[in-house]
Amino acid sequence: DSGVTQTPKHLITATGQRVTLRCSPRSGDLSVYWYQQSLDQGLQFLIQYYNGEERAKGNILERFSAQQFPDLHSELNLSSLELGDSALYFCASSATTGQSYNSPLHFGNGTRLTVT
Amino acid sequence: GIQVEQSPPDLILQEGANSTLRCNFSDSVNNLQWFHQNPWGQLINLFYIPSGTKQNGRLSATTVATERYSLLYISSSQTTDSGVYFCAFWTWSSASKIIFGSGTRLSIRP
Repeated sequence: DSGVTQTPKHLITATGQRVTLRCSPRSGDLSVYWYQQSLDQGLQFLIQYYNGEERAKGNILERFSAQQFPDLHSELNLSSLELGDSALYFCASSATTGQSYNSPLHFGNGTRLTVT
Repeated sequence: GIQVEQSPPDLILQEGANSTLRCNFSDSVNNLQWFHQNPWGQLINLFYIPSGTKQNGRLSATTVATERYSLLYISSSQTTDSGVYFCAFWTWSSASKIIFGSGTRLSIRP
């Protein structure tokens, strides 16, 4: 068990809808990262938060947004969903200070999103 | 930007065989990690290995940062070793900070 909790495990929704994915980092980890993995693809970095602030941004669509709350849990919001958004969405956390990346990443089990 | 290459892309072995997976990178990197994604999709942290060698049971890893590569060794393969193995690391030159290789897909046949 990595200590990173993601909910829900599975999500099936229709095109045009909006969903929220939730992540609770490992105890003590201040950084949260979101990754997208489409079928048989690699991991695409979406966004990172450190202690409530956005730290780094990857190839995140404008229809997607995220935030990290004071209790350090994070939510990834996906709106106007398209068929191509179907993927496995991972959250990871680390104890990095935010200025340097000197701690390992620990991943949750992912949320499998299916858009029909 | 930084280039990362994992080799081989695919590997099929019989149970009991040994294997070496490689991760090459084009620039200096920090905090290299190896992950195993099992057939159920879970990403499991195998090694956090910025440099040197570490061993954990049948698995070991070596990173030679000055020569820009890391190796993952799997000995006496078991069917549960099947899945995709990713290397990942941090670099200042990448806007995404922590980037992943494209992976090596390992299939262990009984």
